[in-house]
Amino acid sequence: DVLMTQTPVSLPVSLGGQVSISCRSSQSLVYSDGYTYLHWYLQKPGQSPQLLIYRVSNRFSGVPDRFSGSGSGTDFTLRISRVEPEDLGVYYCLQSTHFPLTFGSGTKLEIK
Amino acid sequence: EVQVLESGGGLVQPGNSLKLSCATSGFTFSIAWMYWYRQFPEKRLEWVARIKAKSNNYATDYTESVKGRFTISRDDSKSSIYLQMNNLKEEDTAIYYCARRGGTGAFDYWGQGVMVTVSS
Repeated sequence: DVLMTQTPVSLPVSLGGQVSISCRSSQSLVYSDGYTYLHWYLQKPGQSPQLLIYRVSNRFSGVPDRFSGSGSGTDFTLRISRVEPEDLGVYYCLQSTHFPLTFGSGTKLEIK
Repeated sequence: EVQVLESGGGLVQPGNSLKLSCATSGFTFSIAWMYWYRQFPEKRLEWVARIKAKSNNYATDYTESVKGRFTISRDDSKSSIYLQMNNLKEEDTAIYYCARRGGTGAFDYWGQGVMVTVSS
């Protein structure tokens, strides 16, 4: 199985600040079609995960441009700028290149 | 508006069975690949099962820990998928989510989840 190593576990931030979350995979996430199926989700308390970024760097419909994704191969980053209260929750990366699909262990974004 | 709604969760004893349902609307269900995920009490997320569309012969896949015990199915006439869970174990205790795989390859719409508790 592809191991997804997500850091940090907890991320204190001031409102208006900027943060980065790292996700590293144990093998390349480039699929045979040339796409890299690495996605980012936010799970707010009491809710289901919601898609933020798909295929490394594409914002899903309605996601503010404060969220950006980058990376390639095995090393990926989610950046959040101008953090707002609605951004608080747990962020997960998910790879769907290889079966079984696997998630990172999550990063909890909380107010400093 | 896309809607995804799971049902059928509850408390069951080890060794017993449970069937989850996921009703959807707002998109062309018949061509969608649909997935079940679960989230354990410690918040770890795990993919459980996948079912492809009719054009892919409704092919299915499962995570190793549920193979032979869980069965995913779909009814395109009802825009619904199901998860038949047999021989349940305490380690199957989790919130179960249904999700659609969108054209981007990501899972863009999720239900609110349904709790399954396996305990004696």
